[in-house]
Parts: sequence; structure tokens; C-alpha cells
Amino acid sequence: GAVVSQHPSWVICKSGTSVKIECRSLDFQATTMFWYRQFPKQSLMLMATSNEGSKATYEQGVEKDKFLINHASLTLSTLTVTSAHPEDSSFYICSARVGGENSPLHFGNGTRLTVT
Amino acid sequence: AQSVSQHNHHVILSEAASLELGCNYSYGGTVNLFWYVQYPGQHLQLLLKYFSGDPLVKGIKGFEAEFIKSKFSFNLRKPSVQWSDTAEYFCAIRSSGYALNFGKGTSLLVTP
Repeated sequence: GAVVSQHPSWVICKSGTSVKIECRSLDFQATTMFWYRQFPKQSLMLMATSNEGSKATYEQGVEKDKFLINHASLTLSTLTVTSAHPEDSSFYICSARVGGENSPLHFGNGTRLTVT
Repeated sequence: AQSVSQHNHHVILSEAASLELGCNYSYGGTVNLFWYVQYPGQHLQLLLKYFSGDPLVKGIKGFEAEFIKSKFSFNLRKPSVQWSDTAEYFCAIRSSGYALNFGKGTSLLVTP
């Protein structure tokens, strides 16, 4: 079945540094990918919709200059957390759709980010 | 704005017990409804989905869910749980576009 690969699985970085998270669709092309964030004991919150070849669409309250999204190809979207702070520590999950609008999403394994 | 509410945050059951996890949503229009499961250490997987037609939807691993439009509900059920069902369960809706809105999740622990 469709596989979405996310890398790294976990990362620890120092405050002020930037971290890049990759999301790849391994056996299908994804024109649209989605980035979610999950705080402990809370729901997955949509951060942004990543569109291949165009700018990402950010949800209200998500800083686009802080969470840079690049979707340069049909199989790769990246999320860069710039100038990370401890409050950015969270679980980030990407997802992609295989097929048309009514097809379900497939999720990556997620990335646990800890900012010290 | 649409929202999803999962009533039970933590559920503990013994093996062979029956399961029902509640999910309500608030949106007046047409929605697609999903249940996802996340087993420990694994990624989210689709359990079942409802788009239209028969409101009783059967998914993988013996799970089913019933869409009750009048109650804005999409509860997940399983007649007899197993230890391997220990996981986190997320209800989600999609009203338009492509993204999903998730509930907060329900952590299920099945004890032997």
C-alpha cells in the first residue's frame, strides 16, 4: 500500500537553531501534503497544506516564517522549524493523499522534536 | 467552524469486553467521517471511513461505526476487544477540501 516516509523520527536541537523534517511519498505522487502538529494529550492540529510547485497554505495562527514548508517535487515536502524554541517541542506528522478527493490520507510516522 | 469531540479520553477494558468510543462533530453540511488508529510506536492508520450510503460502516479488524446524522455522531464499536487493540483512536471529519479535523483522541488499554 501507499507509504509515507517521514525523517527524522526524532530530533533534539538547541534553542535558536533550525530543524528540517522531510516527508516523502515512497510509491506514489502527492500533489498535496499536509502537516499536522500534536501536543501531548491533545489532538492533531493542521498546520498547513503543502502544494507541489506553489506556496503552502497555512492555518490561522501558524507562523509561516517560522514553519517554512517547501514542496519541490511530487514526492517530497519539507517542514523547517526556524529559530526553534522550547515551545516548539512537539510531535509533527505529515500526510498525503493517494488518489482523488475522496481517498483517505496516509500518514508518516511522525517526528518528535525536542528543543532544549 | 467544524469541530470534532471525542468523549472518552482514556478507556480501560478487559479482553473480550465490548467497545464503543463516542465521536460527535459540529458541522451542518456534508461531511466525510473517519476513524484512525495509532498503535504504539506506529503511524496513524485508517480504520474505516464513511462518505455516503449505508450508515453502518465496517472497517478492518472487526471494527464498525455508525453514522447517525440526526445526532451528528459517528461512534466506533467492536463487539469483543483484544489485547492487540490497545492503541490511540482518532475520529476525524472532512467537510471540504482535503484536510482532516481530528478529535483529541481516545487512548484504549485492553488488559489480559
